[in-house]
Amino acid sequence: DQQVKQNSPSLSVQEGRISILNCDYTNSMFDYFLWYKKYPAEGPTFLISISSIKDKNEDGRFTVFLNKSAKHLSLHIVPSQPGDSAVYFCAASAGDMRFGAGTRLTVKP
Amino acid sequence: ETGVTQTPRHLVMGMTNKKSLKCEQHLGHNAMYWYKQSAKKPLELMFVYNFKEQTENNSVPSRFSPECPNSSHLFLHLHTLQPEDSALYLCASSQDSGPKAARNYGYTFGSGTRLTVV
Repeated sequence: DQQVKQNSPSLSVQEGRISILNCDYTNSMFDYFLWYKKYPAEGPTFLISISSIKDKNEDGRFTVFLNKSAKHLSLHIVPSQPGDSAVYFCAASAGDMRFGAGTRLTVKP
Repeated sequence: ETGVTQTPRHLVMGMTNKKSLKCEQHLGHNAMYWYKQSAKKPLELMFVYNFKEQTENNSVPSRFSPECPNSSHLFLHLHTLQPEDSALYLCASSQDSGPKAARNYGYTFGSGTRLTVV
């Protein structure tokens, strides 16, 4: 039962443009959402999170938006940089954490 | 280095072998986890330990056997695995377990062990 879904396995954007990564979830009990970033040969590292009582959280170039009615969240990166190229995992928690399958972002110079 | 160390980084084993994966954290965290990452699939939670006690076994086959001798060390013992068990095995830790873990910056992951079963 895949409770967290990232339907786009890959995304390619030009340096300087906006990257938008999407995530959908099915469990309405999730109350905290996180994004992790993973480089090759490394484990995922925490990037940004949002509580279900908020609809937006911003940290520098990274902003996470939450639409609870649609059970959808997104990660915006602006401006995108080549160093942002990685796999991004969406995660949701109602206790233990559940992850999506990841989206591979490639930022072209 | 995140503070969670996994060894070995790569492991190739035959289906009749017995091997162990090791995870170590010195972050003072109380909860530790094993996740499995297969290609193009979500990270699958396998086991959860909180204060050395196993609190969750996510329907994992018995050929995977976890051990948590203390809050800093976690092992995954492997025996008679199948080729479909080939994957990246990730260890993670968190200060708290349950809902509190997400609020405290989630989990800290190790770099993983890339396991190939031949």
